[in-house]
Amino acid sequence: NAGVMQNPRHLVRRRGQEARLRCSPMKGHSHVYWYRQLPEEGLKFMVYLQKENIIDESGMPKERFSAEFPKEGPSILRIQQVVRGDSAAYFCASSPGATERYEQYFGPGTRLTVT
Amino acid sequence: QQQVKQSPQSLIVQKGGISIINCAYENTAFDYFPWYQQFPGKGPALLIAIRPDVSEKKEGRFTISFNKSAKQFSLHIMDSQPGDSATYFCAASKIAGGTSYGKLTFGQGTILTVHP
Repeated sequence: NAGVMQNPRHLVRRRGQEARLRCSPMKGHSHVYWYRQLPEEGLKFMVYLQKENIIDESGMPKERFSAEFPKEGPSILRIQQVVRGDSAAYFCASSPGATERYEQYFGPGTRLTVT
Repeated sequence: QQQVKQSPQSLIVQKGGISIINCAYENTAFDYFPWYQQFPGKGPALLIAIRPDVSEKKEGRFTISFNKSAKQFSLHIMDSQPGDSATYFCAASKIAGGTSYGKLTFGQGTILTVHP
């Protein structure tokens, strides 16, 4: 059973470009979370999605950031008009969403560098 | 009120020793407390987790101690090995309705180095 998949693993964008990060949850998992890790810092929650629904986006910057988890395909975190401050590691986690199954499993992350 | 404070920032332990990392939380609604291990360039890996209905949980060399009244919990790594050298994060979440609901609020992390 494959773990959480994220791609690309590394992404370089110039200021003003768009970054699109993908996350495929573990098989059977219906809940997806995105977190951001700045250098030398802990992980910060960004958004929590279920299929076709955004459940909690309280950690998402109000502008330039959006996320989706369509009925088919991976979850996408989209950053428009990237700035240097967006450089970070972005992690996706998935969870079963079943009774008594709270654990979140993380993918390997996408390391975004904005030049 | 959403913070989780973790200490120490870094820890050096000799092989075979006990590593202890502490976390304190403020939000009394938190009811799920996992620990994650992260190696450089990798994603966090779930180590062990506890709910507040128990004061201690042990899995192999890893033990969580939980003090609900003090709003504190800690990770103990017994017989620490060089392979345990990594960054450890505590986290907390609110579980609603018995299913995974809440976002994880993470501590700042502890860099553990185990010397051979």
